[in-house]
Amino acid sequence: EDQVTQSPEALRLQEGESSSLNCSYTVSGLRGLFWYRQDPGKGPEFLFTLYSAGEEKEKERLKATLTKKESFLHITAPKPEDSATYLCAALQGAQKLVFGQGTRLTINP
Amino acid sequence: GAVVSQHPSRVICKSGTSVKIECRSLDFQATTMFWYRQFPKQSLMLMATSNEGSKATYEQGVEKDKFLINHASLTLSTLTVTSAHPEDSSFYICSARGRRSGNNSPLHFGNGTRLTVT
Repeated sequence: EDQVTQSPEALRLQEGESSSLNCSYTVSGLRGLFWYRQDPGKGPEFLFTLYSAGEEKEKERLKATLTKKESFLHITAPKPEDSATYLCAALQGAQKLVFGQGTRLTINP
Repeated sequence: GAVVSQHPSRVICKSGTSVKIECRSLDFQATTMFWYRQFPKQSLMLMATSNEGSKATYEQGVEKDKFLINHASLTLSTLTVTSAHPEDSSFYICSARGRRSGNNSPLHFGNGTRLTVT
C-alpha cells in the first residue's frame, strides 16, 4: 500500500536551533515529492518539489533533500515565524497526492 | 500567480441541511480540481478529483451522493455536503491544477472551509 510517514509528529526547538524533519515514502512509481507548510486554519502553502534522488532545493532557512526512500526538510537557525505544520506528499500515478500526517514544528523565542 | 480562493472560510449548519462550498481559480484556468478533507491533527485525505466538464472521480469510501461535486467551468468547482451530520464536521480544502501545468507540477490550495454541523 502506498504510504507516506513523517517524523517526528511534533518538534519543539529554540530559536536558532537547527534540525531536520523526515518523510519516508513507499509509493510505487513516484513522480514527485512535495513539501508544504500549513498554518492553523489555512490551506497548505507550497514550498518545494523534488523529482529525483539526489536532488536538493533551498529557500531561505529551509532545504529539502530526496533519496530513493525518504526526504528530509532541514531547517537552519529557525525563527519563531517558522512555526507551522510541515506536510510532505508523494505524487502517485497520474495526479494523486498522498500526504503524510505532518510534523508540527514550534520554534520558541 | 496560481491563486485558489475558497468560500466560505467557516460555516455552521444544522444537522440534515446541505452546505455548498466554492473553490475558484483566480488567475488561471483549472482543468482539474481536487477536494480534500482534514480532521484535527490529521493529514489531508483526498475525497475526489474533478475535471472540467466531466463527472468527478471519488476515492474509495467517499459517498458520491453525499458529497456532490460540480466542476462546470474552468474557474469554479463546488462541493455540496448533502444532509450533513455532525460526523461531517471537518476542514475541507480544495486545490487546482492549471491547463498549462504538467501532472507532476505542484498543486495550489485554497485556504479551506471549516464546517461545523450541530
